[in-house]
Amino acid sequence: GENVEQHPSTLSVQEGDSAVIKCTYSDSASNYFPWYKQELGKRPQLIIDIRSNVGEKKDQRIAVTLNKTAKHFSLHITETQPEDSAVYFCAATNDYKLSFGAGTTVTVRA
Amino acid sequence: DTGVSQDPRHKITKRGQNVTFRCDPISEHNRLYWYRQTLGQGPEFLTYFQNEAQLEKSRLLSDRFSAERPKGSFSTLEIQRTEQGDSAMYLCASSHRDGNEKLFFGSGTQLSVL
Repeated sequence: GENVEQHPSTLSVQEGDSAVIKCTYSDSASNYFPWYKQELGKRPQLIIDIRSNVGEKKDQRIAVTLNKTAKHFSLHITETQPEDSAVYFCAATNDYKLSFGAGTTVTVRA
Repeated sequence: DTGVSQDPRHKITKRGQNVTFRCDPISEHNRLYWYRQTLGQGPEFLTYFQNEAQLEKSRLLSDRFSAERPKGSFSTLEIQRTEQGDSAMYLCASSHRDGNEKLFFGSGTQLSVL
């Protein structure tokens, strides 16, 4: 099955700086890569996703890049704000079953 | 809130008791999923329904676990003879149509087995 690894496990950034989270996947057949944000005690919320026929996607301050050859994808958050503090999960799938990374706890320091 | 809803939000039970959780997906979604999340980990796939048919069960789902979606709408997840290792957040998610469509999660049921 698919195995997704995520780094770093924790990330502390100064407000206004950028944050980058990286994930690798094992199954070359995976073709859908969503990112979820989970605040303490709340549900995971989809913030951005990318399909394998696209190399990059941007939505306001967040962007995701995909390198199919290297089997890795990354989340970029620019101009970080305190409300960006949360746990972020990457995931991958080639059908309906998402395999998640272990998560990155992002703390934005004011 | 027209999103995925789960009930109860929290459940505390004694080891050996049975528990049942309910999930109401987004109404037009035909796919429903159960995931389990433990502290510091990402969600792990448990099982998946397309309409009322349970199409896949993870090896994580022992014989003590059973899930149903009798009319293709809401779903229940039952754990019999609970063990302390069952303590986790049980998340339900739903999606629309076939293929790699976006999953929307509920707020989960936090199970604590004493």
